[in-house]
Amino acid sequence: DTEVTQTPKHLVMGMTNKKSLKCEQHMGHRAMYWYKQKAKKPPELMFVYSYEKLSINESVPSRFSPECPNSSLLNLHLHALQPEDSALYLCASSTGLAGYNEQFFGPGTRLTVL
Amino acid sequence: AQKVTQAQTEISVVEKEDVTLDCVYETRDTTYYLFWYKQPPSGELVFLIRRNSFDEQNEISGRYSWNFQKSTSSFNFTITASQVVDSAVYFCALSGSGGFKTIFGAGTRLFVKA
Repeated sequence: DTEVTQTPKHLVMGMTNKKSLKCEQHMGHRAMYWYKQKAKKPPELMFVYSYEKLSINESVPSRFSPECPNSSLLNLHLHALQPEDSALYLCASSTGLAGYNEQFFGPGTRLTVL
Repeated sequence: AQKVTQAQTEISVVEKEDVTLDCVYETRDTTYYLFWYKQPPSGELVFLIRRNSFDEQNEISGRYSWNFQKSTSSFNFTITASQVVDSAVYFCALSGSGGFKTIFGAGTRLFVKA
């Protein structure tokens, strides 16, 4: 199994809602990533987990809360988002954090905040 | 600081034409890794190739070829006899030996018309 799955594919939420994005991989990868991608822009790194521990938080607002329950799962909890948070949220995984590792991406969750 | 520049925002070609996507990078690392990813309309980024800084050998994979030149800090990507299915956004990316963070270029949107 060489794929990264993400659910849901689309999500519309109000600014007062709480929702979660889910990412799963079964490739035995020990590094997992959350990216945010706005239209016509490159992916922007948000968080990196290595061996289920948070390694990088790119100064992301606290309304985004990541969680890595086990080596296959990565969640992103959303609360009190703003309309400018509307974007494609991509999850990725790699064998490890070393720079030579390519990343495997999921199809993303397209989030709209009303 | 590391930087990746993809000066071509959009390229439009007719099917069967050859097209080259340019990528110029900046880094102070002596060991680094360069990548190309393809992002079709479905959303997920797909890994195409990795090159390390010590390997300047050009690579060909089917209709795809890559030209890595350290002297000009470039890692260009050529699609020969383009097809409609090649229509996508292509990202060039850079990571250092320490890993952790991959720097993406702004991307080049390729339109291949039938």
